Amino acid sequence: QKEVEQDPGPLSVPEGAIVSLNCTYSNSAFQYFMWYRQYSRKGPELLMYTYSSGNKEDGRFTAQVDKSSKYISLFIRDSQPSDSATYLCAMMDAGNTPLVFGKGTRLSVIA
Amino acid sequence: DTGVSQNPRHKITKRGQNVTFRCDPISEHNRLYWYRQTLGQGPEFLTYFQNEAQLEKSRLLSDRFSAERPKGSFSTLEIQRTEQGDSAMYLCASSLAAGQGKTGYTFGSGTRLTVV
Repeated sequence: QKEVEQDPGPLSVPEGAIVSLNCTYSNSAFQYFMWYRQYSRKGPELLMYTYSSGNKEDGRFTAQVDKSSKYISLFIRDSQPSDSATYLCAMMDAGNTPLVFGKGTRLSVIA
Repeated sequence: DTGVSQNPRHKITKRGQNVTFRCDPISEHNRLYWYRQTLGQGPEFLTYFQNEAQLEKSRLLSDRFSAERPKGSFSTLEIQRTEQGDSAMYLCASSLAAGQGKTGYTFGSGTRLTVV
C-alpha cells in the first residue's frame, strides 16, 4: 500500500459545479497537508496547506483534514474552466522528511 | 527573484548517454529537492540538500544518478548511461528549512527527459 492514495480520475464537471477531491493516507505521523495544482507541462504550485485536523478556506477553495480517518479533501466551489488541471495532495510530518505526494487527480471543467 | 529555474526545459538523448540538469533555487531558500514525475503519477522524491549537504537519498536514486549542490546555491543532477526507463519530468523545488510545513515547496517547471 502506498503512503498516500489518490484517485487519478479523470474527473469532468460542468462550469459552476462543486468539485470534491480526496486523498487517504496511512502514516499517522503526517502533520502538514497540502494541495498543489499542476497545469500541463508545468511544475506544481501550492494552493493550500493545513496543519493537523480542521478546515481552511481561501476564496473558492476549502481544504479539510480528518486525521482520525486519515482522510483529506479539497472542495472547489463555482468551478471555472481555468481550474482544469491536475490536483496533487501532498503531506509531511513535523520533522525533516520530504513531501510525499499522491498520484494526482486530473480535473476538467467544461464551459 | 523569479522563482525556481530549471534548465534545459527539454532534453532528448540516446540510450547510454550521460545527461546533466541544472536547478537554480530561490536565493534565500536553504533546502533544495529533486523529484521525478512520470505520466499519470505524482512527483516521487529523489534527494534533497540543506545548503551544500546532501541529507537524504531515495532508493529510487540508483548509482547512475548523482546530485550536487557545491556552494549551497544551484544544484545539478547527472544521470549516467541513461536508460529508457529514465524518461520522465525531473522537478526541482526549494524551501526554507524553518516553517516549510506552512510554506511548502516552490517548484520549477521541470526538465522533461526523453531517452530514445
